[in-house]
Amino acid sequence: GAVVSQHPSWVICKSGTSVKIECRSLDFQATTMFWYRQFPKQSLMLMATSNEGSKATYEQGVEKDKFLINHASLTLSTLTVTSAHPEDSSFYICSAKEQAMTQYFGPGTRLLVL
Amino acid sequence: DAKTTQPTSMDCAEGRAANLPCNHSTISGNEYVYWYRQIHSQGPQYIIHGLKNNETNEMASLIITEDRKSSTLILPHATLRDTAVYYCIVRVGGGNTPLVFGKGTRLSVIA
Repeated sequence: GAVVSQHPSWVICKSGTSVKIECRSLDFQATTMFWYRQFPKQSLMLMATSNEGSKATYEQGVEKDKFLINHASLTLSTLTVTSAHPEDSSFYICSAKEQAMTQYFGPGTRLLVL
Repeated sequence: DAKTTQPTSMDCAEGRAANLPCNHSTISGNEYVYWYRQIHSQGPQYIIHGLKNNETNEMASLIITEDRKSSTLILPHATLRDTAVYYCIVRVGGGNTPLVFGKGTRLSVIA
C-alpha cells in the first residue's frame, strides 16, 4: 500500500510553545489530507480536512487558530499546535488520499506538553 | 457519528480463524465497507474494503451479506501480531469524505 510518513514521531515541549508536525505522502500525490488526534483509550477523532492549495475545513469544536494546517503541496501537510498546553498532549495522526484512492495513515506523532 | 456497530472485544486462539462482525444496517447504496486496524501506539493500517461482493487479499477476507446490512472480516490464521483494535467503517467511495472511526473491536490473539 501507499506510504505516509510523519515527523517527528514524538515531541516534548514546554507549555506556551508551538509545535509543528509534518505529514508526507511518499509515493503518491495526496489531493486530500486529514488530521486526527487520539487520546488514551479512545478512538481517533477527526480534526480537519485539507485539500492542496485550499484552506482546511475544521471539525466542530476544533480551534482553527490553535491548530494551524498548511497543505502547500501534493505531498506535504503540516499541523502546528500553537501555544500548546498540557491538555493538547495527545497522539496526532495524519492521513492522505489521492482522488479515488484508499485513505492511508501515517505512524502518528505523540505530543507531550509539560 | 459512526454508522457501524461492532463488539467491544473478542479473543481468538493463535492459528485459528478470527471472524470479526460488523453491523451497518443503515448503509447507503453508494457506501463502501472499509476495515482498518490499529496496533498499539501506531497509525491505523488499511486491511480491505468492498461494496457488495466478497473480497479477499493477502491480509484478510471480507464477507458482505446480500442485503449489505452486515459484514464479517476474516483473518484466516490469526497470529499474535494480529492483536489490535479493528475498525469497520462505511463511507462513500472516492471524493474527499474522511473516514470516521467508531470504537472498534479489540481483538486479542492468545497463544
